[in-house]
Amino acid sequence: AQSVAQPEDQVNVAEGNPLTVKCTYSVSGNPYLFWYVQYPNRGLQFLLKYITGDNLVKGSYGFEAEFNKSQTSFHLKKPSALVSDSALYFCAVGYNTDKLIFGTGTRLQVFP
Amino acid sequence: DAGVIQSPRHEVTEMGQEVTLRCKPISGHNSLFWYRQTMMRGLELLIYFNNNVPIDDSGMPEDRFSAKMPNASFSTLKIQPSEPRDSAVYFCASSLNVPYSPLHFGNGTRLTVT
Repeated sequence: AQSVAQPEDQVNVAEGNPLTVKCTYSVSGNPYLFWYVQYPNRGLQFLLKYITGDNLVKGSYGFEAEFNKSQTSFHLKKPSALVSDSALYFCAVGYNTDKLIFGTGTRLQVFP
Repeated sequence: DAGVIQSPRHEVTEMGQEVTLRCKPISGHNSLFWYRQTMMRGLELLIYFNNNVPIDDSGMPEDRFSAKMPNASFSTLKIQPSEPRDSAVYFCASSLNVPYSPLHFGNGTRLTVT
């Protein structure tokens, strides 16, 4: 069965420090992967995606993600966190249909 | 680009009443998705349309839920009769009908059924 896991409900990081939000997936075949961010009382916003090619993908607001096929992971990273990055982050995986499977979300809290 | 527009933003209704949620996708987008978000179950896909045609409604919880897309610029999600367990935030999203096209979400309708 196709699935995506975000093992951490919450990640806390100090402003200026690097951050990582973890995502692992399980699909048969070649996956395509997305990261979305959700701010309070708003819909999800697209951050970045991996389809094929370079394993390091750069996206909006200074975020990047690294696709690792051997570890079936797609972790979201940012070199220097901002307080304004505090939000709910969702990883999503698709395979051979229009449907995406979303993870349960990870709340990122950046402290000043 | 006005984005995906959903109405109402908030809906409070009593159990047994009919509820209709509305969505206007981004102009030119020909795929439309309805999601439900709750603390317990996370983000669930209810149904999606391509070119106004329902493709997969396997996520619709039961017959009380129905969705329509009469034209490319409008979709509705109806719950009749509503129940307290339907309380959630309902999102509409649209995308281009091309592989790997990102979803664009509306700001959601927060439904409370008392």
